Amino acid sequence: DQQVKQNSPSLSVQEGRISILNCDYTNSMFDYFLWYKKYPAEGPTFLISISSIKDKNEDGRFTVFLNKSAKHLSLHIVPSQPGDSAVYFCAASAFSGGGADGLTFGKGTHLIIQP
Amino acid sequence: DAGVIQSPRHEVTEMGQEVTLRCKPISGHNSLFWYRQTMMRGLELLIYFNNNVPIDDSGMPEDRFSAKMPNASFSTLKIQPSEPRDSAVYFCASSFRGYGYTFGSGTRLTVV
Repeated sequence: DQQVKQNSPSLSVQEGRISILNCDYTNSMFDYFLWYKKYPAEGPTFLISISSIKDKNEDGRFTVFLNKSAKHLSLHIVPSQPGDSAVYFCAASAFSGGGADGLTFGKGTHLIIQP
Repeated sequence: DAGVIQSPRHEVTEMGQEVTLRCKPISGHNSLFWYRQTMMRGLELLIYFNNNVPIDDSGMPEDRFSAKMPNASFSTLKIQPSEPRDSAVYFCASSFRGYGYTFGSGTRLTVV
């Protein structure tokens, strides 16, 4: 049973427009969420995160929104640039006792920015 | 900081052989994770260590897989004997108290 779901395997967006990537989760114990970006032949790179005590976190062109009641989060990229073309992974974690218990990943969304 | 360092980058081995993947976490990080990425299953957590102690190995697929962390700066993931279905990209990641998860570049394993 997949606890973190990214239902769009791919997304194509025109350069300069907004890219919206979605993620749903089922485990109510998750309280920390992250987005990672991955280029071919490289490891995932941290992009932005959000704690469950917030509903929005912004970092430059990237904003993550969290809707806890719907168990849904989204990543907005504005404006989209060609270098944003990559696979984006949504990940979630449930901290226990202040330690780290690993991340549960979605299967990723391949974002393609069209010139 | 050099980041999380994994070796080798690529490994091709014959079925039945032993394979050892290596990871050096970021200095100061106290948690280390091994993940496997396949087309079918995406990124799966195999095992993680906190302060060099294995905490959860429920993601390890079979007894053929084992992992060790003899000290804070080194970990290995061993597959013995290897099988073609073990072919995947294996990632190591480290963090400090759950924050700053950083991944290595991965080891692409091919078992023929």
